[in-house]
Amino acid sequence: GQQLNQSPQSMFIQEGEDVSMNCTSSSIFNTWLWYKQDPGEGPVLLIALYKAGELTSNGRLTAQFGITRKDSFLNISASIPSDVGIYFCAGQDFGNEKLTFGTGTRLTIIP
Amino acid sequence: KAGVTQTPRYLIKTRGQQVTLSCSPISGHRSVSWYQQTPGQGLQFLFEYFSETQRNKGNFPGRFSGRQFSNSRSEMNVSTLELGDSALYLCASSYDRGFWYGYTFGSGTRLTVV
Repeated sequence: GQQLNQSPQSMFIQEGEDVSMNCTSSSIFNTWLWYKQDPGEGPVLLIALYKAGELTSNGRLTAQFGITRKDSFLNISASIPSDVGIYFCAGQDFGNEKLTFGTGTRLTIIP
Repeated sequence: KAGVTQTPRYLIKTRGQQVTLSCSPISGHRSVSWYQQTPGQGLQFLFEYFSETQRNKGNFPGRFSGRQFSNSRSEMNVSTLELGDSALYLCASSYDRGFWYGYTFGSGTRLTVV
């Protein structure tokens, strides 16, 4: 099935570092969502974006809806151990009432 | 309020058997979607139910089916299980179709086919 191109696939960082990840699509999307998934659990919604150019924050997390409507970015500032997990982007393209998910970015914090 | 509840959490089945998974959405949520998650394929959309009708369907064989009851609870069924059906099956609920605010996932059912 269709998937979004999410990068990087994995990240190994030290506590306190900032993190950036992004998703790109060949289709124009009208909604972008960012989720975090912990082992053995379902994804949890972090941030939702509904307008091109929109920049939204949720604590240390900031996400942006790209101007071209084909990409989105998620930044995490000053990472902490509980940030470990897999981050997914998801998007809805026009005329299709379902979400397409990215392949995920696995975040690991090195002691 | 209670979240999305999926039962059972874990299931082991033999190839060729069938299985039924259950999803109880958040109270008031009328749309329920199902996803299959595997390491190789990521999160793949299976189908969506709203008002007891399937509204959207992913690219899965007919062995995968579902239904929704009048109280919005949903079940999915997989018949003639194959080894490749081993996966985490997630359901998500929302108030309305295409209403992503509050789109909430359950913890999933981990199905292992041996």
